[in-house]
Amino acid sequence: DTAVSQTPKYLVTQMGNDKSIKCEQNLGHDTMYWYKQDSKKFLKIMFSYNNKELIINETVPNRFSPKSPDKAHLNLHINSLELGDSAVYFCASSQEGQGYGYTFGSGTRLTVV
Amino acid sequence: AQSVTQLDSQVPVFEEAPVELRCNYSSSVSVYLFWYVQYPNQGLQLLLKYLSGSTLVKGINGFEAEFNKSQTSFHLRKPSVHISDTAEYFCAVYKASYQLTFGKGTKLSVIP
Repeated sequence: DTAVSQTPKYLVTQMGNDKSIKCEQNLGHDTMYWYKQDSKKFLKIMFSYNNKELIINETVPNRFSPKSPDKAHLNLHINSLELGDSAVYFCASSQEGQGYGYTFGSGTRLTVV
Repeated sequence: AQSVTQLDSQVPVFEEAPVELRCNYSSSVSVYLFWYVQYPNQGLQLLLKYLSGSTLVKGINGFEAEFNKSQTSFHLRKPSVHISDTAEYFCAVYKASYQLTFGKGTKLSVIP
């Protein structure tokens, strides 16, 4: 009954490859997010979708492309992976009017070799 | 613009001792403030939040925080820590347009 689930949990891949991370939430929230946590634990928002519409697109290389087929899913596709993309990526969701609390997934640890 | 400053990157404390993790924010408008905890190899879990009303907010696991508007602070406290409290703690500010901005985190290490 995981509220926000991400797959895979671990992802090891070579430079230059293309990979996707999937995220699904069963909370009925209308907004979903991708955050990147670097090796120093710093969390930075990458994207935000509200009802399948892109709301926030921070300064992220265009190799990163989010896709939201419906409001319960927000996937992250990364092209031409680079060493610097190694990080933990967190998906989160929230519902406006419900105290602004975000529910986070358990993260995907991406390692580019 | 809004930012969040967590003044201590690491806080070691002995078991059963009290702890305070400091957080200051900068904002020109009313804010919503949060504390999240991240246990090793896990996602973030909401500890507590301040939206409005009483400035003393109680959260899970015996933690509480006090919103101080004049000092623009939202420090997290616990009167007696346990080994299981060892984790990374993040202060966050909610910004309009669906954005939660995090501080750089404070690593709490509880020493037996």
